[in-house]
Amino acid sequence: GENVEQHPSTLSVQEGDSAVIKCTYSDSASNYFPWYKQELGKRPQLIIDIRSNVGEKKDQRIAVTLNKTAKHFSLHITETQPEDSAVYFCAAGGGGSYIPTFGRGTSLIVHP
Amino acid sequence: DAGVIQSPRHEVTEMGQEVTLRCKPISGHDYLFWYRQTMMRGLELLIYFNNNVPIDDSGMPEDRFSAKMPNASFSTLKIQPSEPRDSAVYFCASRPGQGALGETQYFGPGTRLLVL
Repeated sequence: GENVEQHPSTLSVQEGDSAVIKCTYSDSASNYFPWYKQELGKRPQLIIDIRSNVGEKKDQRIAVTLNKTAKHFSLHITETQPEDSAVYFCAAGGGGSYIPTFGRGTSLIVHP
Repeated sequence: DAGVIQSPRHEVTEMGQEVTLRCKPISGHDYLFWYRQTMMRGLELLIYFNNNVPIDDSGMPEDRFSAKMPNASFSTLKIQPSEPRDSAVYFCASRPGQGALGETQYFGPGTRLLVL
């Protein structure tokens, strides 16, 4: 089955800095890569996703990049704000059913 | 739509008791998932259903756990008997299963379970 590794487990930045979270996956058949944000005590919510036919996708201050050859993908957050503080999960899924396997999560702390 | 609904939101029980968690998916969604979240193991997929049929229950930790989906608008996750190591947050999620956004999962608010 799919195995997703996520790094770092904790990331601390100053407000205004950029943050990068990296994930690797094992199954070359995976073709759907969502990212979820989970605020303290809340549910995970999708913030952005990318499919294997695209190398990069942006949505305002967040972007994802995908390298299918190397089997890794990354989340980039620019101009971080305190409200970006949360746990971020990457996931990888494929085949016809797109059932994602989640990484262990990255706790992002943005200091004002 | 109110989103995915879970009940109860919090449950405290004693070891050995039966626990039943409930989920109402978003109307029209074909897939329903049950996850368990702990600090040690992260977000684990326990089981998922497609059109009310269980497809993969390989994540269910042991026979004490069972899940049902008697109709398209209701699912239960039962633990009998419960043990302290079952303490976790249990999330239900659903997704459309088709269309341009068919893969997007929508999570419920979770049930925080504490087994004493």
